[in-house]
Amino acid sequence: EAGVAQSPRYKIIEKRQSVAFWCNPISGHATLYWYQQILGQGPKLLIQFQNNGVVDDSQLPKDRFSAERLKGVDSTLKIQPAKLEDSAVYLCASSQFLTGEQYFGPGTRLTVT
Amino acid sequence: QQQVKQSPQSLIVQKGGISIINCAYENTAFDYFPWYQQFPGKGPALLIAIRPDVSEKKEGRFTISFNKSAKQFSLHIMDSQPGDSATYFCAASASGAQKLVFGQGTRLTINP
Repeated sequence: EAGVAQSPRYKIIEKRQSVAFWCNPISGHATLYWYQQILGQGPKLLIQFQNNGVVDDSQLPKDRFSAERLKGVDSTLKIQPAKLEDSAVYLCASSQFLTGEQYFGPGTRLTVT
Repeated sequence: QQQVKQSPQSLIVQKGGISIINCAYENTAFDYFPWYQQFPGKGPALLIAIRPDVSEKKEGRFTISFNKSAKQFSLHIMDSQPGDSATYFCAASASGAQKLVFGQGTRLTINP
């Protein structure tokens, strides 16, 4: 079974630029999560999807972050405009159902200069 | 009240020794307590998890001890091996395995 795929693996941008990350969950997994992991900290949940609907986006900075999962499979997370404090690893995870075990992708390391 | 506090931040153990990492929480609604292992450049991977109806769960060399009254849980790694060197995160959730709240992480180094 293929794992959670994420791209790109690394991205360097200047502040005020925009960036997008892509996630392909494990086949058949209905629930998809985006986490932000700042260096030296644990992952922090940004947004949770169930199929193509948002379950929880209470910790998503909506003035600059947006996410979508249009067909209930792949998802994209966008930051516009980026700030220096957005430098982090962005992790995507999926689970088969709402309360199921989460499987994480390798993450995208974002550096904002 | 949503925090999970993890200690120590870093830990060095000799090969064959026991590694112990501790976590404490405040939210009594938490009902799922997993431990994740993360290697550099990789995403976290579930190691073992426990629900509050049991006080201990063992899988191979990994054991979770859970103290509901103290609101604490810990990970014990028996016969620690160099391949166990990684960062370990505890987490908790009030709604099954979703909406996880993670601890700060412990960087474990096993010396050969």
